[in-house]
Amino acid sequence: QQQVKQSPQSLIVQKGGISIINCAYENTAFDYFPWYQQFPGKGPALLIAIRPDVSEKKEGRFTISFNKSAKQFSLHIMDSQPGDSATYFCAASMHTGNQFYFGTGTSLTVIP
Amino acid sequence: GAVVSQHPSWVICKSGTSVKIECRSLDFQATTMFWYRQFPKQSLMLMATSNEGSKATYEQGVEKDKFLINHASLTLSTLTVTSAHPEDSSFYICSAAGGGGYEQYFGPGTRLTVT
Repeated sequence: QQQVKQSPQSLIVQKGGISIINCAYENTAFDYFPWYQQFPGKGPALLIAIRPDVSEKKEGRFTISFNKSAKQFSLHIMDSQPGDSATYFCAASMHTGNQFYFGTGTSLTVIP
Repeated sequence: GAVVSQHPSWVICKSGTSVKIECRSLDFQATTMFWYRQFPKQSLMLMATSNEGSKATYEQGVEKDKFLINHASLTLSTLTVTSAHPEDSSFYICSAAGGGGYEQYFGPGTRLTVT
């Protein structure tokens, strides 16, 4: 059973546009929601993460929007650049040091 | 952020042999390390969780006798693929957590090809 559902599977955005990736979860015990960026042949790198006590977190061009009542969270990449082309994974975790439940990934392509 | 290294970055071995992959946390003490397997264009699949000094906890369907995990220190965990077969060919990634936080820091991955 997929604990975290992610959409879309792939996304093509023009340079300068906004990329939006969505995730949904069911388990209300989750209390940490990170987003990872992965380039081909590399390990995932933490982009940004949020706890459920805030509805939005912004770091540079990356913003997480969190809707606790809907059990959804999304990643917004503003002013998307070709260098942002990568696979993005959302994840959820409960308690410190516990396993992550990953979404299925979104392949983002930013075209010049 | 914290740095996790993996060695080797890629390895080719013959069917029936064993191969060991090392995962090191370079600048923090990792109380918990995780081992993942990733197939092309797929998500990360958790294989096992290991706490320093304890036996690893394997996910359902992962053969503990085939994928031996040792977490002997707070900075090193190893994954040994025993009697490797071509179907074990994959991208293996470790991550490390420590310091009481939620974050996991991922290694760069190891590409295993079994011929």
